[in-house]
Amino acid sequence: SQTIHQWPATLVQPVGSPLSLECTVEGTSNPNLYWYRQAAGRGLQLLFYSVGIGQISSEVPQNLSASRPQDRQFILSSKKLLLSDSGFYLCASRRAGANVLTFGAGSRLTVL
Amino acid sequence: SQELEQSPQSLIVQEGKNLTINCTSSKTLYGLYWYKQKYGEGLIFLMMLQKGGEEKSHEKITAKLDEKKQQSSLHITASQPSHAGIYLCGADYSGNTGKLIFGQGTTLQVKP
Repeated sequence: SQTIHQWPATLVQPVGSPLSLECTVEGTSNPNLYWYRQAAGRGLQLLFYSVGIGQISSEVPQNLSASRPQDRQFILSSKKLLLSDSGFYLCASRRAGANVLTFGAGSRLTVL
Repeated sequence: SQELEQSPQSLIVQEGKNLTINCTSSKTLYGLYWYKQKYGEGLIFLMMLQKGGEEKSHEKITAKLDEKKQQSSLHITASQPSHAGIYLCGADYSGNTGKLIFGQGTTLQVKP
């Protein structure tokens, strides 16, 4: 079965600072990868979706970007954080040919 | 308005009681997923339903999808404190891409 690692688990950053959240997947090859954000009062929202290396689809307009430099590595970034970027960021993976999304443990970002 | 509505938003039950959580979609969905989340943690997959009228069970949890594929229910029999958490339904509207739209979640507390 696949395992998803996310780090850092917790991050406190000032407004205007850069961001890098990393997600790596073990136990599968060529997965579909997803970044979701869970913000207070707003539920779980899909941010980015990737079907392969270098292939990123942005689902909502925002201050964030994503990259997939390797098959099982998915990175969420920002050049300048906003207060509204605070939230709980979840990486998910779906094995090729499977239906189910498996989620990582999440990274909690607080922007002050 | 939300594409996917969950009800109730929160629920407090006595240990041993049965309960039902509902998930209603504004349009026909391709697949319906149920997840459980402990606060501040990742999502744990419970069940997936794809066919109209489908019903699945795992231990004391049963999920159903109606014939029109627009409404699902999650039923817990003889609830236990271990059932406490946030239950989320997610819908795939885009043909098995894994790009799930989630409901707002139902927070369940089970009193011993």
